[in-house]
Amino acid sequence: GAVVSQHPSWVICKSGTSVKIECRSLDFQATTMFWYRQFPKQSLMLMATSNEGSKATYEQGVEKDKFLINHASLTLSTLTVTSAHPEDSSFYICSARDGGQGTSGNTIYFGEGSWLTVV
Amino acid sequence: AQKITQTQPGMFVQEKEAVTLDCTYDTSDPSYGLFWYKQPSSGEMIFLIYQGSYDQQNATEGRYSLNFQKARKSANLVISASQLGDSAMYFCAMRETSGYSTLTFGKGTMLLVSP
Repeated sequence: GAVVSQHPSWVICKSGTSVKIECRSLDFQATTMFWYRQFPKQSLMLMATSNEGSKATYEQGVEKDKFLINHASLTLSTLTVTSAHPEDSSFYICSARDGGQGTSGNTIYFGEGSWLTVV
Repeated sequence: AQKITQTQPGMFVQEKEAVTLDCTYDTSDPSYGLFWYKQPSSGEMIFLIYQGSYDQQNATEGRYSLNFQKARKSANLVISASQLGDSAMYFCAMRETSGYSTLTFGKGTMLLVSP
């Protein structure tokens, strides 16, 4: 079945550095990808929606210059946390919408998430 | 093998009725947590309810309750007294709590509540 691969599963970086998280759809074309951040008490906050070949749409309150999202191809979206600070430490998860015309079309699949720890 | 299975792509329920959304999971980790999220058309993910593998009692949060059957590895979500605003996509997810564990989602169930 369709799989969304997120890499890395966990990363530790120094404060002030940038870190990139990749989200790949492995056997389908993802016309739309979503990036979420999980906060305490389990809620998942939608950070941005990205469509292949166009700029991401950021949710209110999310700094687009800090959280750079690129959706360069139909199978890959990246989230780059620039000049990371300890408060950026969190669990980030992506999801991808299958853009196919078949029975799987419009189904949303989730990656397994990435733990970011900024020290 | 899928870790989280939601067998119902779509469910219909009438307003004020109760509805059960199925979720089964697969893990060999003795310690894990089970989550249910609601996703309206806006795309946000709203946390509904959480059940820990060692919790003795089924979790409840307002109109939401989780029917946790550990031996059967099922964690069905029960919504009582459905409301029109409950129409959304519902995702079951599991986190195994060993190490830097990830969060695994099912494929979701679309719930439509009719008047």
